[in-house]
Amino acid sequence: EVQVVESGGGLVKPGGSLRLSCAASGFTFSSYSMHWVRQAPGKGLEWVSSISSSGGYISYADPVRGRFTISRDNAKNSLYLQMNSLRAEDTAMYYCARLAAKYYGLDVWGPGTTVTVSS
Amino acid sequence: EFVLTQSPGTLSLSPGERATLSCRASQSVSNSYLAWYQQKPGQAPRLLIYGASSRATGVPDRFSGSGSGTDFTLTISRLEPEDFAVYYCQQYGDSSWTFGQGTKVEIK
Repeated sequence: EVQVVESGGGLVKPGGSLRLSCAASGFTFSSYSMHWVRQAPGKGLEWVSSISSSGGYISYADPVRGRFTISRDNAKNSLYLQMNSLRAEDTAMYYCARLAAKYYGLDVWGPGTTVTVSS
Repeated sequence: EFVLTQSPGTLSLSPGERATLSCRASQSVSNSYLAWYQQKPGQAPRLLIYGASSRATGVPDRFSGSGSGTDFTLTISRLEPEDFAVYYCQQYGDSSWTFGQGTKVEIK
């Protein structure tokens, strides 16, 4: 079964750090670009970051650029999001998602992991 | 900054009725880069439409997408009980991705 599963969420104080992980299975992870998308409580979806299949091309949304770092380990079929200098407005459900191979759409999503930034 | 504006914010309809959801872009979007997602409470989003008009695997044919340039539409021909959810459009451009704010389709 094709799936991705996030982990690493939790409660962190403002200014703190957290590292999210996304474990992929059921497909050739190294062939796909991967994304992080977040959703604040009661709000809409917000794209956070993306990384190409090889890791050579990375993009960030403006609100997280300079604070978050996306990376991947194709040998471990894993995607990561290192989040530093966290703010209250980073509180959200964070989803890992796969970019489809032949078209621009996120076709596989994980169940998400919750990040809460609060003192 | 690329902005996608969805309307209406909420659509109140009955099962069996037709739903028409709009997504307007602040700049022209290549059809290849426009997608639609469905999200139900407590669940991750699900890809419905890619390339503005192509249905993703397993998506019923009552869902259809259309449009070009800056104006795109998601149509649900006859609402089924499981279709009541929030719908988001999404575009790719300038090395970033943008979601619309969503349209909630609720039972009237």
